[in-house]
Amino acid sequence: GENVEQHPSTLSVQEGDSAVIKCTYSDSASNYFPWYKQELGKGPQLIIDIRSNVGEKKDQRIAVTLNKTAKHFSLHITETQPEDSAVYFCAATPLYNQGGKLIFGQGTELSVKP
Amino acid sequence: EAQVTQNPRYLITVTGKKLTVTCSQNMNHEYMSWYRQDPGLGLRQIYYSMNVEVTDKGDVPEGYKVSRKEKRNFPLILESPSPNQTSLYFCASSNIRSTGELFFGEGSRLTVL
Repeated sequence: GENVEQHPSTLSVQEGDSAVIKCTYSDSASNYFPWYKQELGKGPQLIIDIRSNVGEKKDQRIAVTLNKTAKHFSLHITETQPEDSAVYFCAATPLYNQGGKLIFGQGTELSVKP
Repeated sequence: EAQVTQNPRYLITVTGKKLTVTCSQNMNHEYMSWYRQDPGLGLRQIYYSMNVEVTDKGDVPEGYKVSRKEKRNFPLILESPSPNQTSLYFCASSNIRSTGELFFGEGSRLTVL
């Protein structure tokens, strides 16, 4: 089955700097890669996702890149702000809309210092 | 307001005392799932359901039961809780045949003594 590894487990940056979180996956059949943000005391929320037919996707200050050959994908946050502080989870799955299991990484706790 | 509602949010119980964590969604989603979150292990799927009366095991189903008698509800049952089931539990739902976005509840923190 799919296995997702996420690094780093904690990340501290200064406000305004960029942050990068990396994930690798094992199942070459995986074709859907979402990223979730979990604020303190809340459930995770989808912030961006990418499908295997696309190499990069951007949404304002966040972007995700996918390298299918190397089986890794990354989340990039530019111009970080204190409200970006949260736990971020990557995930991967094949055949998602046919009941495929969404496998999550271990999570990255991002701290943005003012 | 579109939401996934879990109850209770916090619970302390003792080993062996059966408990149920309820989950309800108001978005008419077919797909519902339970996850547990433990430090350093991320979110691990316990059970999921593609539709009414259809449930399947996730990665860590031991010690848990679920049922899906109605589309909106997906309760998680711990028949005989043990201390290793102390965790933060999340219910989630999705219109899986559309965007696939998972909508999570606020979480239920369970402590088994």
